[in-house]
Amino acid sequence: NAGVTQTPKFRVLKTGQSMTLLCAQDMNHEYMYWYRQDPGMGLRLIHYSVGEGTTAKGEVPDGYNVSRLKKQNFLLGLESAAPSQTSVYFCASSYAGSGPFTDTQYFGPGTRLTVL
Amino acid sequence: RKEVEQDPGPFNVPEGATVAFNCTYSNSASQSFFWYRQDCRKEPKLLMSVYSSGNEDGRFTAQLNRASQYISLLIRDSKLSDSATYLCVVNIIDFNKFYFGSGTKLNVKP
Repeated sequence: NAGVTQTPKFRVLKTGQSMTLLCAQDMNHEYMYWYRQDPGMGLRLIHYSVGEGTTAKGEVPDGYNVSRLKKQNFLLGLESAAPSQTSVYFCASSYAGSGPFTDTQYFGPGTRLTVL
Repeated sequence: RKEVEQDPGPFNVPEGATVAFNCTYSNSASQSFFWYRQDCRKEPKLLMSVYSSGNEDGRFTAQLNRASQYISLLIRDSKLSDSATYLCVVNIIDFNKFYFGSGTKLNVKP
């Protein structure tokens, strides 16, 4: 049981390049999330998904796209990378139970992205 | 205005000390509350959920005050291994969104 995994762990891009970050979970969770974490800003939600084939925008969606073609995978794409997208990206998943306290988030180890 | 606000610290305390962190949230529709721990350059991990009646897990006690819209975390008998950043998290369940504070850094010194 690997939990939540992310690939790659590190990446350096040049401005204007594109890339896709992959998140995979083996816990059969319905909900998946992409966050970015910047110094002093905490984690900010980029996009999220409440089930296979569905996605929704979070707080900071501009410049990113996502897809959830399979329940266990959630992909984050950068179409044209900018230096402002230099950050640590975390993926998370949670079980969609009923009521509060069933929605604990489990995080992947993160991807450190630098855009030059 | 941020959804969740925390004192960034750092809180520098000696081993064995008791330390408390507070966190305020702005949305009264927030329905579930958590404290996460994040070690340097690692992913956040759930420390404990916060229940309306308050709850305790070993040396850790969490409290929720809905009227004043804040939650707190108390750590007793601090250990060196408690050194980390503590993130306050609230969830507005209807929107399936989690809001994270920027974290409070704790340094426990020998």
